[in-house]
This record gives sequence, structure tokens and C-alpha cells, in this order.
Amino acid sequence: KQEVTQIPAALSVPEGENLVLNCSFTDSAIYNLQWFRQDPGKGLTSLLLIQSSQREQTSGRLNASLDKSSGRSTLYIAASQPGDSATYLCAVRSYNTDKLIFGTGTRLQVFP
Amino acid sequence: SQTIHQWPATLVQPVGSPLSLECTVEGTSNPNLYWYRQAAGRGLQLLFYSVGIGQISSEVPQNLSASRPQDRQFILSSKKLLLSDSGFYLCAWSVHLQGPYGYTFGSGTRLTVV
Repeated sequence: KQEVTQIPAALSVPEGENLVLNCSFTDSAIYNLQWFRQDPGKGLTSLLLIQSSQREQTSGRLNASLDKSSGRSTLYIAASQPGDSATYLCAVRSYNTDKLIFGTGTRLQVFP
Repeated sequence: SQTIHQWPATLVQPVGSPLSLECTVEGTSNPNLYWYRQAAGRGLQLLFYSVGIGQISSEVPQNLSASRPQDRQFILSSKKLLLSDSGFYLCAWSVHLQGPYGYTFGSGTRLTVV
């Protein structure tokens, strides 16, 4: 059974810091891994989608890497801003079930 | 472009009352459709998914049911709500093929059962 874990559960940093959010998964047989952002009381916004054959994806200040063999992904946020404050979720789409399985998220607060 | 709509955005319902949440997708045909629930302080749990009209798979036994009367319409229902049904409900869609495709989520419905 696929299990997804995110560390840390919460993070509070001053503006301008570079951040690394971690995601690990137990079954490496995946189609892809997707990072989402969720603002309080809102739906999920897709940030980055990494296919199983890729090692990283970049969008603006965000960079996500994938090491499928070790079951790990990291989301790197450069020069963090207060507007980055949100919960970040990673999710994997497994071969066996073709379902999207979520981690429990990292709640990020960036203060001025 | 594809869009996904969910309504209502918020709902307060008494225990024992019925429920109907609706989700529609535009700009694509024959999508896979999903209902997820996010309870307070917990992760996202897959409740139901559908690969076609009238085809519903349930992930967890519960007080809820789902239906897909049209290709791009997905409905979450309950005959009698329980307090434990409170949570944030999210609809999502993906391409109707197994493989390297992402999911797109709606804006969610906040359900409070009182």
C-alpha cells in the first residue's frame, strides 16, 4: 500500500529564506508526483507535475526534484515571500491503483 | 481550456438531513472524476472515483454515495448526514487514461453538520 509522508509538518521562516520541503513515498512504481498548494479554506492549486522519467521541474521560484528509486521528492522555494504562506501537499499517482495518494502536507508561514 | 466547478462553496446542514454536492467539468470529454474529503487536521482521503457514466467505485465504507448521471457531472449524496460527515469536500478530474497525467481540483465545499 502506497504511503506518502511529508516533513516538516509545519515551518515558519522570515521572508527571503530559501526553503526545502520534503516528501517521501513507499512504493516507487509511480506514474508521476504532483505538488499542490492549498490556501486556508480553498481548493488545491497544482504547482508542479514531475513524470516518473523526469528528475526535476521548475516554475519561477519553485523547483521540484524526484528520486524515484529512493522514494523521495523535494520542493525548493527560492527567496520566500509572505504570499508563499500556505499548506503544500505532495501526491503520487501509483501504477498499481492509478489513484492519487496524498501526504499530510507542510504548513508554511513566511513572515515579513 | 478545461475548468471544474463545484457548488455550493459552503453548507451548514443539521444531522439527519440529506446532502447533494455537485461537480461539473468543462472542456474535456470522458474524464476520470474523483471525490476527496479533507477532515480537520487530516490529509485528503479518496472517497469515490468514476471512469465513466454510471461507473462508481467506493474507496471507504461510509454514509455517502456518488453518482455520475452525465459524462461531466459527478454528484456526492447522503440520505441522512452524521456529525462525522463534516469536512472539506473536493472534486477532481484527470485524463481518462492510466499514465502520466495530473489531477485538477475544484475549489471545494465546506460542509458543517450541526
